[in-house]
Amino acid sequence: DGGITQSPKYLFRKEGQNVTLSCEQNLNHDAMYWYRQDPGQGLRLIYYSQIVNDFQKGDIAEGYSVSREKKESFPLTVTSAQKNPTAFYLCASLGGRLHGYTFGSGTRLTVV
Amino acid sequence: AQKITQTQPGMFVQEKEAVTLDCTYDTSDPSYGLFWYKQPSSGEMIFLIYQGSYDQQNATEGRYSLNFQKARKSANLVISASQLGDSAMYFCAMREGGSPGGGNKLTFGTGTQLKVEL
Repeated sequence: DGGITQSPKYLFRKEGQNVTLSCEQNLNHDAMYWYRQDPGQGLRLIYYSQIVNDFQKGDIAEGYSVSREKKESFPLTVTSAQKNPTAFYLCASLGGRLHGYTFGSGTRLTVV
Repeated sequence: AQKITQTQPGMFVQEKEAVTLDCTYDTSDPSYGLFWYKQPSSGEMIFLIYQGSYDQQNATEGRYSLNFQKARKSANLVISASQLGDSAMYFCAMREGGSPGGGNKLTFGTGTQLKVEL
């Protein structure tokens, strides 16, 4: 079955460390997105990519970086510059239909 | 200004009753799409229903219907015959434009926590 796989499901980071969250899709979707969710808040856009080797900042890109070297993969790195990284991170993709968004199951990141 | 506003942080409904979750939006783009997602405690986002700005009729998907009032910029979700399994967080979201260059980004509201009671 086609879908989006996010790994790991839970991730713990020490202060000052960079960590990378994985997002892989086998839907042949061109566009991919990273969202952050904090308790009591909706999803906020971190970065998005419409094609391979191209990506744009979203609303809260500071302290994060991404790459899009393959169509299937859109990893997110949470750098030490992100002061409050504890959150739930969701990856999504969009295919041909403009309402056909698919979401992964998320990664819960905790700073220890 | 908030692009998507959900004014009900929490709602209670009795099983088998209908419930309406409110959503208002703000955009100057004539082409946009409105979405409702359900997020259970597991965290996954489950797509419920979609309404395009040019759609003439209100969208329906099983027990879900979208009360689209374009002039008032509201897109309320109606869940009929509530079930215990409907207890979850519900998000309203909007995609503005629709051209490839626009990114097709989704903007989300803050959500409504729905609790279905016996």
